[in-house]
Amino acid sequence: EIVMTQSPATLSVSPGESATLSCRASQIVSGLVWYHQIPGQPPRVLTSGAPSRATGIPDRFSGSGSGTEFNFTISSLQSEDLGIYYCQHYSNWPPVYTFGQGTKLEIK
Amino acid sequence: QVQLVQSGAEVKKPGASVRVSCKASGYTFVNNYMHWVRQAPGQGLEWMGIINPNDGGTTRYAQKFQGRVTLISDTSTSTVYMEVNSLRSDDTAVYFCARDGSSSGLAAFDIWGQGTLVTVSS
Repeated sequence: EIVMTQSPATLSVSPGESATLSCRASQIVSGLVWYHQIPGQPPRVLTSGAPSRATGIPDRFSGSGSGTEFNFTISSLQSEDLGIYYCQHYSNWPPVYTFGQGTKLEIK
Repeated sequence: QVQLVQSGAEVKKPGASVRVSCKASGYTFVNNYMHWVRQAPGQGLEWMGIINPNDGGTTRYAQKFQGRVTLISDTSTSTVYMEVNSLRSDDTAVYFCARDGSSSGLAAFDIWGQGTLVTVSS
């Protein structure tokens, strides 16, 4: 079973600064997705396949990494960026869709 | 627009069953797999299973839910159903349906329902 571990658990950043979130897989993975969830709402996909942004996602959101180590960077942080960010190992075969435990992003 | 609309909140007693619906619109229903994900209060996301609406409803379940969760698709109404049996208090969670976007060009859960709160309490 692949385990996805995110760090840090909580990150507090001032508006306008950058934030970098990390996700580590217990084994090499090829599909890595990042989601953002505001409390009380469903998650929204941000990037798929590390660098590829979903439709409508601004370029200040970027994913990187490969193998077992992945990062997600938000530049020029805005108040609406607060919430919880989840990474996900995504594989259609075999069907594996494991989420990390999340990183809570707070705005100072 | 593309959307998934889920049924309303449910309150069930331990040992009962619950069925949650997820109605798709704005796209060709049979072209995309559908996932179910749950989120216990204050907790993270947990993948439950996947259904292919196109081929009579082929399903795969996370091992944890095998035998207790059933996914069904109804192509006549573009609706997917999730049924959980033998409910326990730790099944209390918000349950989401989520479209798989891989056949639309995005290998991710690209459209989500609004979520359905299922509360299990005696």
